[in-house]
Amino acid sequence: KNEVEQSPQNLTAQEGEFITINCSYSVGISALHWLQQHPGGGIVSLFMLSSGKKKHGRLIATINIQEKHSSLHITASHPRDSAVYICAVTNEKLTFGTGTRLTIIP
Amino acid sequence: DTGVSQDPRHKITKRGQNVTFRCDPISEHNRLYWYRQTLGQGPEFLTYFQNEAQLEKSRLLSDRFSAERPKGSFSTLEIQRTEQGDSAMYLCASSLGVQGTQYFGPGTRLLVL
Repeated sequence: KNEVEQSPQNLTAQEGEFITINCSYSVGISALHWLQQHPGGGIVSLFMLSSGKKKHGRLIATINIQEKHSSLHITASHPRDSAVYICAVTNEKLTFGTGTRLTIIP
Repeated sequence: DTGVSQDPRHKITKRGQNVTFRCDPISEHNRLYWYRQTLGQGPEFLTYFQNEAQLEKSRLLSDRFSAERPKGSFSTLEIQRTEQGDSAMYLCASSLGVQGTQYFGPGTRLLVL
């Protein structure tokens, strides 16, 4: 069993829909990251959080330390949000989930 | 500073050849990480440095792999006697301390024929 599990693996939605991607982990962590990877490989860090909730524009990330669970939400989704979203946990080094491929259809 | 850079961006080599990749981190970052990503998978940790000290190596890093960060700035990752299974994207990231956000380079895509 992977230490970091994401769901769903693939998600296709219409433009404007509210998107939720989930991440569960089974190890002790100091922080959890949400990363975005576009075709071609570049990875951008969206959030790093260790408790509560963070918001940046249309993106919201939450974490529940007791339940070892985090969610990434995208409001008013847009085709440019299409990418792979990766959850990663850190305790010295990053351990990654396998990613969620999101496709937003115009 | 323009962020983390990696060189080359792409490398095609024949099985059995040696390859070396370079990563230049953000200048004030003391931590540097190497990851490997195969198609359709999330990245996997290979090794990391704090300044010039290599603090941890994954069991994925066989004795054909070696990484250095001689002056605590740029780092090199060398793969000796490459195998087809080494084909992957090799990602470098840097951060300021263990709690700092990791900033990723664009990666080096390796294809071993």
